[in-house]
Amino acid sequence: NSKVIQTPRYLVKGQGQKAKMRCIPEKGHPVVFWYQQNKNNEFKFLINFQNQEVLQQIDMTEKRFSAECPSNSPCSLEIQSSEAGDSALYLCASSLISGNTLYFGEGSRLIVV
Amino acid sequence: AQSVTQPDARVTVSEGASLQLRCKYSYSATPYLFWYVQYPRQGLQLLLKYYSGDPVVQGVNSFEAEFSKSNSSFHLQKASVHWSDSAVYFCALSPQGGSALGRLHFGAGTQLIVIP
Repeated sequence: NSKVIQTPRYLVKGQGQKAKMRCIPEKGHPVVFWYQQNKNNEFKFLINFQNQEVLQQIDMTEKRFSAECPSNSPCSLEIQSSEAGDSALYLCASSLISGNTLYFGEGSRLIVV
Repeated sequence: AQSVTQPDARVTVSEGASLQLRCKYSYSATPYLFWYVQYPRQGLQLLLKYYSGDPVVQGVNSFEAEFSKSNSSFHLQKASVHWSDSAVYFCALSPQGGSALGRLHFGAGTQLIVIP
C-alpha cells in the first residue's frame, strides 16, 4: 500500500475549467515530484520540490500549471484552464533526498471533456 | 542525453514459467536504475533498484534484476510467475548527479500477461 496519498483518484473537468490535485508525501520525505502519464504510458516530468522550494519545472508547468508544497499542508498541482490534451494520470512521488528512490502514489486521473 | 528502451511491448507467459523482461539504457556514466510495476488503475510500485555494487539485485515478490555495464542493460527476471504478476512493468533511469538528479527517465513499459 502506497504511503504517498493522492486525492482525488478521479476528476472530470470541462475544457477551460480548473483542475486541482493534492498529494501528501510519505512522512519525512522532503522531496516531491509530479509526473504526467498519458494513455501511451509516456511519462512527463512536471515539477519537483524540496520542502517548499521549487527545484525544477518544465515550461508547460510554468504557463498553465501551478504547484506548491506549503509547510504542514498537502502539496498541490493545479491546471488553470484544462485542455483535452491534459487528460492523463498525474502521479505524485516523494523521496528522502533528491536522487534517492521515488515512491509513488496511486495517482489522480484527470479526464477533460 | 539519457534514454531507456524496453524492446518488448507485450510478453505472454504461462503461470509457473520463468520470465525475463528486457531493459537497455543509454547514459554516459553508471546511472541509478529501477524497475516499477503498475497494476490496472493504480500508481507505480517499486520492485527493485540498483545504485552500485553487486550487479544482481533482489526485489519484492521474488523478482531480481542484473545490471550489466558492458551491455548497458538491466533485465528483470523471475523464476516462476504467478497470474497476479500480470501488470505493466517499467524500467527507469536516474542520473547520479547534476541538476537532473532524481528525475526519472522511463521506458515505454512492457505489459506482462500471465496465462493461468
